[in-house]
Amino acid sequence: EVQLVESGGGLVQPGGSLRLSCAASRFTFSSYWMHWVRQAPGKGLVWVSRIHSDGSSTSYADSVKGRFTISRDTAKNTLYLQMNSLRVEDTAVYYCAGVDSSGWHYFDSWGQGTLVTVSS
Amino acid sequence: QSALTQPRSVSGSPGQSVTISCTGTSSDVGGYNYVSWYQQYPGKAPKLMINDVTKRPSGVPDRFSGSKSGNTASLTISGLQAEDEADYYCCSYAGRNTWVFGGGTKVTVL
Repeated sequence: EVQLVESGGGLVQPGGSLRLSCAASRFTFSSYWMHWVRQAPGKGLVWVSRIHSDGSSTSYADSVKGRFTISRDTAKNTLYLQMNSLRVEDTAVYYCAGVDSSGWHYFDSWGQGTLVTVSS
Repeated sequence: QSALTQPRSVSGSPGQSVTISCTGTSSDVGGYNYVSWYQQYPGKAPKLMINDVTKRPSGVPDRFSGSKSGNTASLTISGLQAEDEADYYCCSYAGRNTWVFGGGTKVTVL
């Protein structure tokens, strides 16, 4: 069974930076499209970013474009999200999610999430 | 990238059917057969229930079904059970490698 474990969340001041990690196991990481999805406290799910299975292309929601960077290290089976210029409105639980490349348009595996709090 | 529109809540008695709508535009729901639905219990990660508008992943009960007409997708839960009480989110591919979720619907089993 696919396992995804996020880490790196915490409290950061507005304008600060944080890097989230998502450790993948029990599946062929290199064949999976990977995403980050966030959920503000008491709110709905919001898609944040996506990276192709081979890392060749990335895409972002307008709200994080230019501030967040998604990447992956196949040798370490790990997905990353570098978050810069953080804002109060970035406060959320961040989930990594993925799917085999044949099902690139949905998310069939999810991690448990890591909480990011942006506050002074 | 505006969120898809879902009703905030729906309810039904055990054994009844409920339907959750998900309205988008021709740029997302109406433009692609790439609508998926997710179930989420409080404090838990979402779970895929339906992909590609109508497909049910292995292990998902057949009382869950999906459909689409124009810019509106729907999730129907037939034979409602107590364990179906949760939040449900629709999601659609929106072109240019972006995705958009709905605001979520709370299903209450009376």
